[in-house]
Amino acid sequence: DGGITQSPKYLFRKEGQNVTLSCEQNLNHDAMYWYRQDPGQGLRLIYYSQIVNDFQKGDIAEGYSVSREKKESFPLTVTSAQKNPTAFYLCASSVSGASGNTIYFGEGSWLTVV
Amino acid sequence: AQSVAQPEDQVNVAEGNPLTVKCTYSVSGNPYLFWYVQYPNRGLQFLLKYITGDNLVKGSYGFEAEFNKSQTSFHLKKPSALVSDSALYFCAVGSYGNLIFGKGTKLSVKP
Repeated sequence: DGGITQSPKYLFRKEGQNVTLSCEQNLNHDAMYWYRQDPGQGLRLIYYSQIVNDFQKGDIAEGYSVSREKKESFPLTVTSAQKNPTAFYLCASSVSGASGNTIYFGEGSWLTVV
Repeated sequence: AQSVAQPEDQVNVAEGNPLTVKCTYSVSGNPYLFWYVQYPNRGLQFLLKYITGDNLVKGSYGFEAEFNKSQTSFHLKKPSALVSDSALYFCAVGSYGNLIFGKGTKLSVKP
């Protein structure tokens, strides 16, 4: 099946820990994205990458880091510097970074701080 | 700055009735407009988009949207609602290669 796979679906983090959310796509898309979803606030862009070995900060990048070493993979690390990390995280991809291209989403990952 | 607004937090309709979920936008230049649907605990599913051309755009699951440039609106419509249409709906505008989302509208369809 072609698509975007996020793992794990549920993740619990202790205070002061870094955690990494995985995102893999087999759609041969160049562009990949990470969004954060909080109730009543819609989706906000954390980071995006339009090509391998390149990425840009989105609106709420503080406390997060990413890498794009392979076309298929765009992992997101939530660091201990992120003050309020409990949220639903969505990975997405598109054929390219052009504004009219459709962006497709994975099934999301829940991160909870305990 | 590009933005979208969804003025209704929730829309309630009876099964079989027509539904409308409203969206207005503010962009410089030509807008690229999208609608997505989200079921509980799931990712977003693409419904339809407007890039250029006909103002009435048809999408998945019987949904359509009407682009109105003079009113800067892109309302989502369906002629006959189903209970299974109950979900969270997001309008978005394409901006520099990514999407800017509205806050979402919860659609509740009652039997």
